[in-house]
Amino acid sequence: DIQMTQSPSSLSASVGDSVTITCRASQSISRFLNWYQQKPGMAPKLLIHAASHLQSGVPSRFSGSGSGTDFTLTISSLEPEDFATYYCQQSYSIRTFGQGTRVEIK
Amino acid sequence: QVQLQESGPGLVKPSQTLSLTCTVSGGSINRGSYYWSWIRQPAGKGPEWIGHIYTTGSTSYNPSLKSRVAISVDTSRNQFSLDLSSVTAADTAVYYCAREGEWLLSSMEGSAMVTNYYYGMDVWGQGTTVTVSS
Repeated sequence: DIQMTQSPSSLSASVGDSVTITCRASQSISRFLNWYQQKPGMAPKLLIHAASHLQSGVPSRFSGSGSGTDFTLTISSLEPEDFATYYCQQSYSIRTFGQGTRVEIK
Repeated sequence: QVQLQESGPGLVKPSQTLSLTCTVSGGSINRGSYYWSWIRQPAGKGPEWIGHIYTTGSTSYNPSLKSRVAISVDTSRNQFSLDLSSVTAADTAVYYCAREGEWLLSSMEGSAMVTNYYYGMDVWGQGTTVTVSS
């Protein structure tokens, strides 16, 4: 299986801050990388597919980059509704998720 | 707009089979190129992919669960289902069904233009909690 490792596991930030979350794959996955947002009691929501393609309806303050083994999700200016847990997930082979990054209010 | 809804028992006894159904509304399950997936999430942990079935009926499963899992589709009812046998307390989780959408995209990799189908879970059910306990 391809292991996905996210960092940090949690971070504290304020509204308006820019935050970056990283995801590393245990082997090259080209651009087969998705990002999800999950709020408590809710299903995950797809934000970005194919490493950098914004899902329809997702605000442009979210962006993704990377290829191969190293990927990043950036939220350019945090809004109150962005405080949530974020997961990366690879679709190169048998699907696997990262362990999550919790974005908390400072 | 496609919507998914999980259904099934919320409590299953150890060693028995967990059976869930996902009903697809707002679109036909056998129209388009989609994987229909099951994902679970134990309390306080990240999601774990269980497996999926393609519109052709071909399946793929998480190797850690493969010996106990079966996913099937009933196109006449617009549903797909999960069976997980020989359950233990470790199978207690929120179970989600999801549609895995497909995008055909091109990008430069080095000096070459590469075109691939990319997949992501773009529609999710609300999830159903399943507890394994006697």
